[in-house]
Amino acid sequence: DIQMTQSPSSLSASVGDRVTITCQASQDISNYLNWYQQKPGKAPKLLIYDASNLETGVPSRFSGSGSGTDFTFTISSLQPEDIATYYCQQYDNLPLRGTFGQGTKVEIK
Amino acid sequence: EVQLVESGGVVVQPGGSLRLSCAASGFTFDDYTMHWVRQAPGKGLEWVSLISWDGGSTYYADSVKGRFTISRDNSKNSLYLQMNSLRTEDTALYYCAKDRAHIVGATFAFDIWGQGTMVTVSS
Repeated sequence: DIQMTQSPSSLSASVGDRVTITCQASQDISNYLNWYQQKPGKAPKLLIYDASNLETGVPSRFSGSGSGTDFTFTISSLQPEDIATYYCQQYDNLPLRGTFGQGTKVEIK
Repeated sequence: EVQLVESGGVVVQPGGSLRLSCAASGFTFDDYTMHWVRQAPGKGLEWVSLISWDGGSTYYADSVKGRFTISRDNSKNSLYLQMNSLRTEDTALYYCAKDRAHIVGATFAFDIWGQGTMVTVSS
């Protein structure tokens, strides 16, 4: 099974800061990686799909990059409404299954 | 409005059974792969199962394989999860989610989520 290591588990940053979250796969997953935002008491929201594609309607301050085993999610300028937990998610084709990272809780300093 | 609405979550004893439902609206349901995802209280997200657009292919997480069965009724725009031999570790908020991929395959990019239905397994 492919393991995902997401880091950090939490971070605190100031409004306007650049925030970076990483996700590392235990083996090559090509670009089969998505990123989600989950606010307290709410369902998750898709932000980035296939490693670097911005979902429709998502602000451009969110971005994703990487391929193979190492992936990065960036918020270019942290806003108060970005307070949430962020999850990476990879999927295998053989057999078809998905795995989420452990999550990163983002707070305002 | 594009919407998914789950129902069926209750308190059930270990070893019991339960069927969750998810009603879809606002999109062509039978064009999309659908998934169930769960979240234990205070914990992260766990993918549970998927079903292809036509119901012909199903896949499960190892943690539920052999106990849970996913199905769909495209005539009713509905998704189901039959849960048998429930364990305390199955306690979670269960979400249904729509895959972004149109008809062919699955990308696990879940662009539409329901609000979730809570399943509690406890004696």
